Amino acid sequence: TQLLEQSPQFLSIQEGENLTVYCNSSSVFSSLQWYRQEPGEGPVLLVTVVTGGEVKKLKRLTFQFGDARKDSSLHITAAQPGDTGLYLCAPPNTGNQFYFGTGTSLTVIP
Amino acid sequence: EPEVTQTPSHQVTQMGQEVILRCVPISNHLYFYWYRQILGQKVEFLVSFYNNEISEKSEIFDDQFSVERPDGSNFTLKIRSTKLEDSAMYFCASTRAHSGNTIYFGEGSWLTVV
Repeated sequence: TQLLEQSPQFLSIQEGENLTVYCNSSSVFSSLQWYRQEPGEGPVLLVTVVTGGEVKKLKRLTFQFGDARKDSSLHITAAQPGDTGLYLCAPPNTGNQFYFGTGTSLTVIP
Repeated sequence: EPEVTQTPSHQVTQMGQEVILRCVPISNHLYFYWYRQILGQKVEFLVSFYNNEISEKSEIFDDQFSVERPDGSNFTLKIRSTKLEDSAMYFCASTRAHSGNTIYFGEGSWLTVV
């Protein structure tokens, strides 16, 4: 299993603040995916980054894939309570198993 | 957008009873998975399934668990004799190919064993 470390593990911020969460590994990946899981629901795919250095934007969310394709970041601008959830990065499935990073639990306080 | 659907969304069962959780994967997907998430904990891999047989299973997936694809559409997880510690959210997932593809998750079936 190729470990994907996410930081911070927990993050609690006020509505309107900006934040960045990180996904790091010592391995190189062909792509990385970001999911958000809201309480009581399944993980939902947000974005897939494929090219080293790539930046993708999804409204107030900005995803970046590291140049070396070993890490990725997610920046949220002007966080809202609806952004609350568990953010998970993941490589594409390799073989029979699919695994997530360690996760960042975000709470946005109104 | 195609999606993975799961039923039931919530089931309460008595300890020792059998439970079947159902999933309809995305129609052109070939690889299917079950995961579980105990409240407040990480999503844990249970089993993967391809070509009508188990490809890989974790140590959680003991003899009390079984999976099958009875009709080419549904993908089921059976827990033969439920225990209190089986209480969790169970997620079905599917992907189109063996590697390098996005995996799509259902919304989960919340199992409560009392």
